[in-house]
Amino acid sequence: DIQMTQSPSSLSASVGDRVTITCRAGQDIDNYLAWYQQKPGRIPNLLIYASSTLQPGVPSRFSGRKSGTEFTLTISSLQPEDVATYYCQKYDSAPFTFGPGTKVDIK
Amino acid sequence: QVQLVQSGAEVRKPGASVTVSCKALGYRFIGYQIHWVRQAPGQGLEWMGWINPDGGGTSYAQRFQGRVTMTRDSSTSTVYMQLSRLTSDDTAVYFCARRREFQLLPGHWGQGALVIVSS
Repeated sequence: DIQMTQSPSSLSASVGDRVTITCRAGQDIDNYLAWYQQKPGRIPNLLIYASSTLQPGVPSRFSGRKSGTEFTLTISSLQPEDVATYYCQKYDSAPFTFGPGTKVDIK
Repeated sequence: QVQLVQSGAEVRKPGASVTVSCKALGYRFIGYQIHWVRQAPGQGLEWMGWINPDGGGTSYAQRFQGRVTMTRDSSTSTVYMQLSRLTSDDTAVYFCARRREFQLLPGHWGQGALVIVSS
């Protein structure tokens, strides 16, 4: 099975900071990579699919990029409502493995 | 609109089995695979497997092979996830999620079902 790694596992940043989370796939998954935001007690909320396509309704401060098997989620200007855990997920084929998550909070 | 309605919370003893149901509403049941994802308290999301309601074909994550069974009942538009030989590590919220239009990733999520394994 293809393993998904994420870094960092947690980060603390100030409001307005640029924040980047990295997800790496163990092998080529083309651009079949999604990013979710999850707040405590809530179901995951899809932010980005196809590595860089923003889900409608998601603020434009969120963006995604792909470089080989490395994917990044960037929040251009961190807002208090962005405090959450962020997960990547591969969806090229089963198993649709999630990354271990990155917890983001405000400094 | 698309809705997935899951069964309620369950408490089981170690070694027992549990079945969680997920009833699909508002769309053509056999047209979309259903994922099962779980989340232990304070932990991350874990993909368990999925089922194709059209024919009942399944694919399970390796770590659940032999312990998980996913089935469907097309007459009631319901899918089931049974997990056997439970341990305390299986205490988690179990989600079903329908795949998105034109894509394989989960789109519409159920509300989750808490399963507690405790002696």
